[in-house]
Amino acid sequence: GAVVSQHPSRVICKSGTSVKIECRSLDFQATTMFWYRQFPKKSLMLMATSNEGSKATYEQGVEKDKFLINHASLTLSTLTVTSAHPEDSSFYICSAILAGGSYEQYFGPGTRLTVT
Amino acid sequence: AQKITQTQPGMFVQEKEAVTLDCTYDTSDQSYGLFWYKQPSSGEMIFLIYQGSYDEQNATEGRYSLNFQKARKSANLVISASQLGDSAMYFCAMREAGYSTLTFGKGTMLLVSP
Repeated sequence: GAVVSQHPSRVICKSGTSVKIECRSLDFQATTMFWYRQFPKKSLMLMATSNEGSKATYEQGVEKDKFLINHASLTLSTLTVTSAHPEDSSFYICSAILAGGSYEQYFGPGTRLTVT
Repeated sequence: AQKITQTQPGMFVQEKEAVTLDCTYDTSDQSYGLFWYKQPSSGEMIFLIYQGSYDEQNATEGRYSLNFQKARKSANLVISASQLGDSAMYFCAMREAGYSTLTFGKGTMLLVSP
C-alpha cells in the first residue's frame, strides 16, 4: 500500500512553454503533499507544501507564480512550471502523507524535466 | 546552521562487509523523528528505517540498523553484509515536532564493490 505515482516520468520542453507534473496517491487519501526539487548529486529541497482545498505554502525563495501548485482532490496534486527556462531543468519529486495517519511521507518516483 | 549533517560525501565498501553512514542532527525539540532513505540512480526515494526520539531501542529493519545516540545527536545507519544493489545515494532526514516536513542532509554516495 501507500503508493505514489508521478506523471510524466520524463519530459522535455522548449524554453518559454509550461509543463504540468502530476502527483497521485494511488491507494490512499492524502491531505498533504509535498513538492521537492533535486539538482544532480544534491539533496532534496522542499519547494512547497500542498494541502487539499487550500493554497500551497511555498518555501522561501520559491516563486509561487512560476511554480503553480494545485491540490484539487485528496489523491491529486499538480505542479505546473510556467514559462520554463533551462535553469528550471531538474528532478522534481512529490511525496504524500496519509490522511489521518502518522506523518510518514510516501515518495513518488520523480519527474526529470529538461528545458531546451 | 544545518539541521542534518552528513559528513561523508562518498563511501566505499566491499561486498559482504558492514558499513556505517554518519548522520548528526541539530534540534532543540524533545520530540522528533529521524529517517534514512536510499536513492538509487533511478531517482526514487526508498524509505529504509525510522527512529523516534523517545524510542529506547535502536531501530532495525533487516540488514539496516540505526545507531541512535541521543546525547551526541547522532543517528548513524549501519548496513550489514553489503550487497552490490546497495550502491546508491543515502539521505538522512529529520522531522521535528509539530511539523510534517522533512529536512534532508546532503547525502552520502555508497559504492559497493565485488
